[in-house]
Amino acid sequence: AQSVAQPEDQVNVAEGNPLTVKCTYSVSGNPYLFWYVQYPNRGLQFLLKYITGDNLVKGSYGFEAEFNKSQTSFHLKKPSALVSDSALYFCAVRDRNYGQNFVFGPGTRLSVLP
Amino acid sequence: EPEVTQTPSHQVTQMGQEVILRCVPISNHLYFYWYRQILGQKVEFLVSFYNNEISEKSEIFDDQFSVERPDGSNFTLKIRSTKLEDSAMYFCASSEGGFTEAFFGQGTRLTVV
Repeated sequence: AQSVAQPEDQVNVAEGNPLTVKCTYSVSGNPYLFWYVQYPNRGLQFLLKYITGDNLVKGSYGFEAEFNKSQTSFHLKKPSALVSDSALYFCAVRDRNYGQNFVFGPGTRLSVLP
Repeated sequence: EPEVTQTPSHQVTQMGQEVILRCVPISNHLYFYWYRQILGQKVEFLVSFYNNEISEKSEIFDDQFSVERPDGSNFTLKIRSTKLEDSAMYFCASSEGGFTEAFFGQGTRLTVV
């Protein structure tokens, strides 16, 4: 069965500092990995994905994520945080061998302090 | 930019009543999904739909739930007899392929009283 862990409920970072939101996953086959962001009272907005190829993927709003197969991780990063990045971030996985549904992690609330 | 639209944005219903949540997926997408989120917490998979039939469903998606694509554009989720614990934000999503990213609507907040 697929699962996603986001070990931190909350991440606080000062504006202008780099940020990392952690994600680890478990799948039986090869993963497709995704990051989504949710602003208050809004839907889930796609940020970036890893399907195959380069382990470092770049997405919207300056975010990037690094796929690490040996550590089964897909951490979200940004070199310089903005106050407007404050939101709820979800990591999600799809198992190529299992099915089509996304399995989401529990979410990490990011607060960027001015 | 194409987007998934959901109506209504908020639905209040009495326990035991039937509700239908409506979604218009992105027009060239082939895969459709319903997820729900309780109190801004974990996003839970309900069902996926492809080629006019359910392709996967979760344990949550029991006999009181059903989905339908009544025409070429709408995708609906019906809850036959609502319970208090069905109160949640329901998200519709669609994707172009079976393993590409999904795009989510803004959600319908269902409140069962």
